[in-house]
Amino acid sequence: EAQVTQNPRYLITVTGKKLTVTCSQNMNHEYMSWYRQDPGLGLRQIYYSMNVEVTDKGDVPEGYKVSRKEKRNFPLILESPSPNQTSLYFCASSLAYPGQGYTGELFFGEGSRLTVL
Amino acid sequence: AQSVSQHNHHVILSEAASLELGCNYSYGGTVNLFWYVQYPGQHLQLLLKYFSGDPLVKGIKGFEAEFIKSKFSFNLRKPSVQWSDTAEYFCAVNARTGRRALTFGSGTRLQVQP
Repeated sequence: EAQVTQNPRYLITVTGKKLTVTCSQNMNHEYMSWYRQDPGLGLRQIYYSMNVEVTDKGDVPEGYKVSRKEKRNFPLILESPSPNQTSLYFCASSLAYPGQGYTGELFFGEGSRLTVL
Repeated sequence: AQSVSQHNHHVILSEAASLELGCNYSYGGTVNLFWYVQYPGQHLQLLLKYFSGDPLVKGIKGFEAEFIKSKFSFNLRKPSVQWSDTAEYFCAVNARTGRRALTFGSGTRLQVQP
């Protein structure tokens, strides 16, 4: 089954304790992205990756890191989490980058709800 | 930079009522347009998309949307809603040149009462 898998789905942590949210897709998609969803703000892009070893900042990258060492995986790293990073996080992937003859339709994971105390 | 506005934040309808959710985008170039739906506790799913051609696009579950280029709008419609349509709806846009990230609106929460 084609899917985007995120782990953990739920996490409560404390300020400053490093954490990683993993994301894996089995569709051989080139493009992957992380979003955070906050009430009244919709989804805002944190980072995206056009392919292996190619990553770039989205609209709200502060406090986050990413890596893309393998095509299927795109982990989100919070080096020193703070309470303002409490949010619902979604990983998404797309066959190709929008504009390469492709619309850029995204396939989303189930989401990871993070609470930072 | 591209942006998306959804003016209806919370809509309450009775079953069988007609639905129209507004979406306006801000970008001067050629865009792709999407509506995504998020049912309670679930991830986002694609409802429909516009790439080119007929500006009236049909999606799943009886939804349709019309792209009006002159108004920079991509409104979502359904003639008769059901209780199962209760969800949050997001309009999104990406540009075909420049920074092509998918930009989302703030969402519209639809509540359908039986």
